[in-house]
Amino acid sequence: LAKTTQPISMDSYEGQEVNITCSHNNIATNDYITWYQQFPSQGPRFIIQGYKTKVTNEVASLFIPADRKSSTLSLPRVSLSDTAVYYCLVGDRTNAGKSTFGDGTTLTVKP
Amino acid sequence: NAGVMQNPRHLVRRRGQEARLRCSPMKGHSHVYWYRQLPEEGLKFMVYLQKENIIDESGMPKERFSAEFPKEGPSILRIQQVVRGDSAAYFCASSPPSTTPTQYFGPGTRLLVL
Repeated sequence: LAKTTQPISMDSYEGQEVNITCSHNNIATNDYITWYQQFPSQGPRFIIQGYKTKVTNEVASLFIPADRKSSTLSLPRVSLSDTAVYYCLVGDRTNAGKSTFGDGTTLTVKP
Repeated sequence: NAGVMQNPRHLVRRRGQEARLRCSPMKGHSHVYWYRQLPEEGLKFMVYLQKENIIDESGMPKERFSAEFPKEGPSILRIQQVVRGDSAAYFCASSPPSTTPTQYFGPGTRLLVL
C-alpha cells in the first residue's frame, strides 16, 4: 500500500485558491488517487478522483504529474464552509479500503 | 438515489452488552466497508465485504467483533461484550461494482460505552 503524506494543517482566507499537496512515492500502477472531505461529526464526502494528468469537476481540480508520485487538490475561491479535514487516499479496488485515512489536512478558512 | 444509510446514529451501551450497527448501501452498490474513527483521529479500516462474502477483515480486532453482509438486508457490524475503548464513530461506505475505488460514506454511528 502506498503511504501518503499531507500537511497537517493549512490556513486560507475567503475567496482565495487553496492547493493541498499529497505525496505518494510508492504509488502502484493500478492505483487511483482519491480525495475526501470530512466535516466534524459527519462521514467523509468524496470530492474527486484521478489516475493521471488533470481532472476537474464542479468543486475541485486534481493535478497529477507524469510520475504520479504526488498530487495536488485545488479548491478555487474557498469559502468559510470549506473549513474541514481533507484526506488523500491511494489505492485500487482491492486495497483502497485498507488505506488508513491518516490525519489528513485540516483546512481553516478565515473571513 | 438515497445515500448510504446507517442506524442507529447514536448508540449507548453499558460494558458487557452487545452493539449492533447497521448499514444499508446505496442502491446498486455491492461492496461495503466499515471504518472506526476515534476522537481527533483519522478513519481506520476494519472490514471489506461483498454480498455474503468477507473479502478482507485484516482491520478487525480478533475478538468480539464480527461483520456480515447477507444476500438480503443491511450489512451488520456486531460488537460483543463492549468495553469503554470501543467508544468511537463507526462509518460504513459502499461502492458500485466498478474498477475504481470510489467509496460513498454514511453519516456514521456514534457508540458510547458507559
